[in-house]
Amino acid sequence: NAGVTQTPKFQVLKTGQSMTLQCAQDMNHEYMSWYRQDPGMGLRLIHYSVGAGITDQGEVPNGYNVSRSTTEDFPLRLLSAAPSQTSVYFCASSYSRIGAIGEAFFGQGTRLTVV
Amino acid sequence: GENVEQHPSTLSVQEGDSAVIKCTYSDSASNYFPWYKQELGKRPQLIIDIRSNVGEKKDQRIAVTLNKTAKHFSLHITETQPEDSAVYFCAASSATGNQFYFGTGTSLTVIP
Repeated sequence: NAGVTQTPKFQVLKTGQSMTLQCAQDMNHEYMSWYRQDPGMGLRLIHYSVGAGITDQGEVPNGYNVSRSTTEDFPLRLLSAAPSQTSVYFCASSYSRIGAIGEAFFGQGTRLTVV
Repeated sequence: GENVEQHPSTLSVQEGDSAVIKCTYSDSASNYFPWYKQELGKRPQLIIDIRSNVGEKKDQRIAVTLNKTAKHFSLHITETQPEDSAVYFCAASSATGNQFYFGTGTSLTVIP
């Protein structure tokens, strides 16, 4: 049982480049999300999804796109990378039902540097 | 939206002493409060959680208390050990259950 698999682990981009961070889970969780972690700021929600075909914005969505075509996969796209997007990115999935959510299982993280 | 504040940002304790980390939240409709431990370079992992219909929960050396009236919850670690050294995050779920709001983290150092 792999849990939440996130790739790549490290990435360096030039300003203006685009890329996709991959996230897959095998726990049949409906809820998936992307966070960025910056020093002293905790984990901030970028985008989330409550099921296939449904996505919504979190606290810091600008510059990022997501899609959810299957229950298992939730890729995060950086459209035109900026130095302000240098961060550690975590994907997470949870069991959820209306009005309640369970433990978030995190991927191993992607350390992204934009130069 | 929800606002979660966490204190202190850093905490050093002697091995064997207790450590307490406190969080406050703003949305009285929040109903789920997990605590995560993140070791250096690793992913956050759940260590304990509590729902709004419970006031206290214990798991061996770790306990969480929740005061719904005051909108604060706390993590208590007793008999601390060097392997407890890590960053700890509190979180609160949104009223719809669709989002977690995280505190800014507490870096705990247990001195042998």
